[in-house]
This record gives sequence, structure tokens and C-alpha cells, in this order.
Amino acid sequence: AQSVTQLGSHVSVSEGALVLLRCNYSSSVPPYLFWYVQYPNQGLQLLLKYTTGATLVKGINGFEAEFKKSETSFHLTKPSAHMSDAAEYFCAVEPFGNEKLTFGTGTRLTIIP
Amino acid sequence: DTGVSQNPRHKITKRGQNVTFRCDPISEHNRLYWYRQTLGQGPEFLTYFQNEAQLEKSRLLSDRFSAERPKGSFSTLEIQRTEQGDSAMYLCASSQQGGNYEQYFGPGTRLTVT
Repeated sequence: AQSVTQLGSHVSVSEGALVLLRCNYSSSVPPYLFWYVQYPNQGLQLLLKYTTGATLVKGINGFEAEFKKSETSFHLTKPSAHMSDAAEYFCAVEPFGNEKLTFGTGTRLTIIP
Repeated sequence: DTGVSQNPRHKITKRGQNVTFRCDPISEHNRLYWYRQTLGQGPEFLTYFQNEAQLEKSRLLSDRFSAERPKGSFSTLEIQRTEQGDSAMYLCASSQQGGNYEQYFGPGTRLTVT
């Protein structure tokens, strides 16, 4: 079985400050890992993914995440927050060969002007 | 490519009524997924199709729920005898087998059962 834990259901950062959203996972097989963003009353948009290869992955809107197998983590970062980054962020895991995504409970990011 | 579309976007129904939602995937995608998202939670997997075959169903999908994908194109999700606990956002996603492992989500259908 697989699971995802997102530490911090709410995170607030000042505009221009570093964004760090935490994600830890458990998976019995090598995982594929994803970060999605959800704006109010909308579906989910993929920010970035890790499947194989380079453990530091870059995504859209200046976000990046690093897969750390020893820590079973896949934290999302952005060097400088922008007001438009305010949204809900979900980390998800898909065990290799199983198309089903398992999501964390999400982190709501608020940007302080 | 117009993305994944879902209809209706909002549905309000009374307890005990039946409702049906539709999902149109990205045209070249042969896999289609349904997820349910309740307030303050992440999406939870319900079921998925490869072409017209339903390959997996979650235990969340009680026998009041049924999903179909005739001819491997659009899909419908029906809920019979709705209950207040069915109130949620129902999300559809599609992907291409052997593709880039990405699931593309639609805007969702928000169901409110009164």
C-alpha cells in the first residue's frame, strides 16, 4: 500500500520569500511522484513529476522538487513567492506499474503582500 | 486539443435522487479515471478504464455507483439513491497508456445533495 503525508495543511509566506511545501510518501515499489496545484473551483494542474533519472526536477511557474529516496521525501520549493502562487497544492504517488494516484490531504498556500 | 471536459459543472439534487455525470477525455487518451474530492481532502481514486474495459474499482465505489465507458470514448458516472455523504467534487482525468505518466484532469463536477 502507498500513502502520502503533507506536513502543514496551511502555509503562509511573504511575497518574494522562499516557498517550501513538504511531502513524505510510503510505497512498496519504486514510486512515481507528482505535485499538482488546484485553484478554487478548478481541476488539478500538474506542476512537476519524478519518474526516473535526475532527482531534482523542475516544473512550471518556477517550482522544483527533489526526490530523496533515503528520506522518502519529495518537497516542493520555489525561490521567490508570487501572489499568483496562492492555491492548494497536492503531492501524489503512483507506484510503478499502477496507474492509480494516491494523494496527500493538500497544503493551502497563502501569499502575504 | 481542448482538454478534459466534464458536465455538468454543478449539480444540486435531493437525497434519494439519481444523478449522472459525463466526462470527455482528451481524444487520443485511452485511459480514463474518476476521483472524488471532499472538502479539505485530496482526491481519492474511484475507478479507471482502459479503452472500454473497467480495470479497477475502489472500495469507495459502493453498489450505488456505476461507471461506464461505452466505445472507449466518453465516460459516465451514475450515483443512485444519493445520500448527503455523496456531496463532493467528482474529478475525471485521462492519460495515454505508455505515454508520459501524466494524468490530465478536468474541472470537476460539484455535487450537492440536500
